[in-house]
Amino acid sequence: DTGVSQNPRHKITKRGQNVTFRCDPISEHNRLYWYRQTLGQGPEFLTYFQNEAQLEKSRLLSDRFSAERPKGSFSTLEIQRTEQGDSAMYLCASSPLTGTTVGDTQYFGPGTRLTVL
Amino acid sequence: RKEVEQDPGPFNVPEGATVAFNCTYSNSASQSFFWYRQDCRKEPKLLMSVYSSGNEDGRFTAQLNRASQYISLLIRDSKLSDSATYLCVAPSDSWGKLQFGAGTQVVVTP
Repeated sequence: DTGVSQNPRHKITKRGQNVTFRCDPISEHNRLYWYRQTLGQGPEFLTYFQNEAQLEKSRLLSDRFSAERPKGSFSTLEIQRTEQGDSAMYLCASSPLTGTTVGDTQYFGPGTRLTVL
Repeated sequence: RKEVEQDPGPFNVPEGATVAFNCTYSNSASQSFFWYRQDCRKEPKLLMSVYSSGNEDGRFTAQLNRASQYISLLIRDSKLSDSATYLCVAPSDSWGKLQFGAGTQVVVTP
């Protein structure tokens, strides 16, 4: 399967614990995005990378959240000291960098569903 | 005001009927738009891109009205498998950051 993959698919944790999610984008896609989706809402942008550079972070991304893409390939999203409000689906998407059209198609992974007890 | 707004529905549609719904956007500079389909507890999947006045793909037709800043999606000859949430999406900046609407739920009934 050459699509975007995310691990783990489900994570249940206790409040206050740290969690880390991984995203493997489609091979050779330069851009990688993280979104968060809660029930009844559309995905909300968190942050994105172009290659290894993190170019923008949403105000939604508090100091407890950190994302990395060290070699410009896979990315990790870490949440420290989780809170119940962090419970959501965390989606990763990737897109190629064509440089021609604003809004190149983003392909989403299956998501990691986080439940904070 | 949210950047992208949608009627949450649900739109209950008899199988074989036509359904249409709109999405309004606030960023007049947006040049391209997308409709994604999302099944329950699954990831969004691209349904259609809209770069000019509209786009048609089989039973699905998307239209863009820049003057009134809305995009519509029309589904003809609805199938049971069309039941899903349809997310309207607009890029919010030149880097491709996407702004999603909350989605319109469509339920096709036998």
